[in-house]
Amino acid sequence: QSALTQPASVSGSPGQWITISCTGTSSDVGGYNFVSWYQQHPGQAPKLIIYDVTNRPSGVSTRFSGSKSGNTASLTISGLQAEDEADYYCCSYRSDTTYVFGGGTRVTVL
Amino acid sequence: QVQLVQSGAEVKKPGASVKISCTAFGYTFTNNKFHWVRQAPGQGLEWIGIINPKDGATRYAQKFQGRFIMTRDTSTSTVYMELSSLRSEDTALYFCMRDNTRWACDYSGQGSLVTVST
Repeated sequence: QSALTQPASVSGSPGQWITISCTGTSSDVGGYNFVSWYQQHPGQAPKLIIYDVTNRPSGVSTRFSGSKSGNTASLTISGLQAEDEADYYCCSYRSDTTYVFGGGTRVTVL
Repeated sequence: QVQLVQSGAEVKKPGASVKISCTAFGYTFTNNKFHWVRQAPGQGLEWIGIINPKDGATRYAQKFQGRFIMTRDTSTSTVYMELSSLRSEDTALYFCMRDNTRWACDYSGQGSLVTVST
């Protein structure tokens, strides 16, 4: 089971927007609208920020948004803030009824 | 409020077994499945498997099939995972995470650190 492909790092200045990609296959990302995104700060547990490709849980900032095209899902963070500096992971349901995470992306706020 | 409380850190020798736990509070235990996810030091998240506390049904990533076993005890609202034939590569922080019924995890435990070392 190969992990979904994410860029290792993405950076941006405060106020800018950034996008993190998550590339899979037609057996996972491309085959289902069951992609989720997690934010993880150092020493903390992962926190759900997007589910079902585009949905935000209650309490998550509207600056986070998700989308998908073909086998690639994307997370966009607009109005970048210092508190957004963290690791971000995508996760997808798979056709064999398991799940798979991406390798993770370190977001740095310059 | 929803809370998942995991068992404490464990240190084991290669080849040994360990059983870690995750107790749920603040909601009806059998309404949501649980995922187990691990994170090796400095590494990313890795999905291990999922258990339905209603009937005990499980599904594992192929990599862990047969060596990791998930169970549950509905009387104590606790899910367990037993890790056997431990290797140094199993050293990691193990998270239990509640499924939100939308193919994602909305709550996480604090993690149980398992260290495998001679």
